[in-house]
Amino acid sequence: SQTIHQWPATLVQPVGSPLSLECTVEGTSNPNLYWYRQAAGRGLQLLFYSVGIGQISSEVPQNLSASRPQDRQFILSSKKLLLSDSGFYLCAWYHTGREGRYEQYFGPGTRLTVT
Amino acid sequence: GENVEQHPSTLSVQEGDSAVIKCTYSDSASNYFPWYKQELGKGPQLIIDIRSNVGEKKDQRIAVTLNKTAKHFSLHITETQPEDSAVYFCAATRGGSQGNLIFGKGTKLSVKP
Repeated sequence: SQTIHQWPATLVQPVGSPLSLECTVEGTSNPNLYWYRQAAGRGLQLLFYSVGIGQISSEVPQNLSASRPQDRQFILSSKKLLLSDSGFYLCAWYHTGREGRYEQYFGPGTRLTVT
Repeated sequence: GENVEQHPSTLSVQEGDSAVIKCTYSDSASNYFPWYKQELGKGPQLIIDIRSNVGEKKDQRIAVTLNKTAKHFSLHITETQPEDSAVYFCAATRGGSQGNLIFGKGTKLSVKP
């Protein structure tokens, strides 16, 4: 079965420090991968998605970047964190399931607090 | 641009009652509509979905209906239980971008015992 991992689970970082969040997927190959951010009490904002190694599409211009160095690895980065970067970061992968269902599954998330 | 509106933002029901959450979407090319349940501190979990060629789908106490003409879809939970308490998100595919979903802002459901 497929499994998606994210780490760390929680992170507290000062303003201006760098960021690296990692997501890995097991049990599938060539998945579409996604990074979402969820601010407190709000919905899911798509940040980046990737359809393959080295292929990144950005949905929202900001001080974050994403990379996909391996087929099942997706990394979210920042050179200098802002207070507004605080939130719950979710990685997801997409699978075309039975009957053409576009099944998107989420990881457990990383809670980032920028102080 | 494409948008998904979700109502209500909060919903409180007594255990055993039914709960209904409604969404509308703007992209007429959307053809897949999943619903997610998110418990506190966890990632959203896919609970049910429906494709555009189907009007209704049921899975035990959960059902989803779709009206493509009106661009409405709804989640129905019957015989609610305290463990149904969570935030529920609806979503719709973004036109021809398979797998790219537009999410509603969520509904916080509280089931009182």
